[in-house]
Amino acid sequence: GAVVSQHPSWVICKSGTSVKIECRSLDFQATTMFWYRQFPKQSLMLMATSNEGSKATYEQGVEKDKFLINHASLTLSTLTVTSAHPEDSSFYICSAYTSGGDTQYFGPGTRLTVL
Amino acid sequence: RKEVEQDPGPFNVPEGATVAFNCTYSNSASQSFFWYRQDCRKEPKLLMSVYSSGNEDGRFTAQLNRASQYISLLIRDSKLSDSATYLCVVNDDRAGSYQLTFGKGTKLSVIP
Repeated sequence: GAVVSQHPSWVICKSGTSVKIECRSLDFQATTMFWYRQFPKQSLMLMATSNEGSKATYEQGVEKDKFLINHASLTLSTLTVTSAHPEDSSFYICSAYTSGGDTQYFGPGTRLTVL
Repeated sequence: RKEVEQDPGPFNVPEGATVAFNCTYSNSASQSFFWYRQDCRKEPKLLMSVYSSGNEDGRFTAQLNRASQYISLLIRDSKLSDSATYLCVVNDDRAGSYQLTFGKGTKLSVIP
């Protein structure tokens, strides 16, 4: 099956710093990548949809200036959490989809803890 | 608001038991349906797609009722390794963008 990697798998940072999370599709070209956030005991919540070469489409309530998404190639998307605060601590998961496909392939997630 | 709703559980069942999970979705235009499994602190993994005619994969049987907007998952002969959270997932296919909407999940614990 298709493989999606995320880096880092976990990160601890101080409040006010920025954190970049990478999502890579290793063996296929992802026309679309999705970024999700999951708080404890909650469902995955879609944050944004990113098409290669285009600006990301953010879900209602997600600040685009705080969560910067770049999808510069068909195999890489990045999410940068700017000026992170403790309430941004969460499990961030990306997924990748290729046009014509029948499912999204999920990365292993990045656990962010902001102190 | 488009939603997917599940009983959060937890379901605590003995090994060998049969357990059923239910899910309802609010968007009648939803195109495709899935059950995912998520282990603690891990990403969700596709368990099976759900087809209108119902489908089976080993010990797992999924059913879809479009008229009632209802999806089910049946697990027979539960194993300890089945312990996980089961997510009901719907593809709303907004403008063909293949977006998925996740339920909060139903937690299953299979007890020796």
